[in-house]
Amino acid sequence: QKEVEQDPGPLSVPEGAIVSLNCTYSNSAFQYFMWYRQYSRKGPELLMYTYSSGNKEDGRFTAQVDKSSKYISLFIRDSQPSDSATYLCATSNFGNEKLTFGTGTRLTIIP
Amino acid sequence: EAGVAQSPRYKIIEKRQSVAFWCNPISGHATLYWYQQILGQGPKLLIQFQNNGVVDDSQLPKDRFSAERLKGVDSTLKIQPAKLEDSAVYLCASSSPVTGALHSGNTIYFGEGSWLTVV
Repeated sequence: QKEVEQDPGPLSVPEGAIVSLNCTYSNSAFQYFMWYRQYSRKGPELLMYTYSSGNKEDGRFTAQVDKSSKYISLFIRDSQPSDSATYLCATSNFGNEKLTFGTGTRLTIIP
Repeated sequence: EAGVAQSPRYKIIEKRQSVAFWCNPISGHATLYWYQQILGQGPKLLIQFQNNGVVDDSQLPKDRFSAERLKGVDSTLKIQPAKLEDSAVYLCASSSPVTGALHSGNTIYFGEGSWLTVV
């Protein structure tokens, strides 16, 4: 069993739709939860991070962590074509140390 | 602010040959990482440096991979001899001086990667 599981997709939705991306993890020691966005042939860039359980909102993006079920979610509201990318969830025991990534979900927003 | 620079961007080699990748982190970033991303998978940490010391190399295949960070700035990742399964993107990343607790001041910045194809 992988430490972080993520549906690879691909996922295609029309512009303006709400997108839900999810990951599950197995290691209860993970404390930090991150979402990275990776455009084609580019390096990942950090979108959002949360510590422990709870929600965090940043513009059109909302990250949720439920440690009781070991479930991580990213919601994108009013999706735009520029949101088309691969979204990677990542976890760690402590900050930036030894991130464990999911496989990534490839998202396409259709104009 | 300049980002993380990597070279070469693309490399094709035959199996059993050697290859080296170079990385120049963001100025002032003491922590440098090398990640391997195989097609269709998430990045996997190979090695982490703090200044010029190794913090974590537990997932580095030391029989064929080596990495160094001279003078705590640039870094080189070498593969010798290469295997077919080494075909991947090698991502260099850096973060600001203090590692540990994540906050807006010390997120990791990734380079665009070096794409390796072993034939």
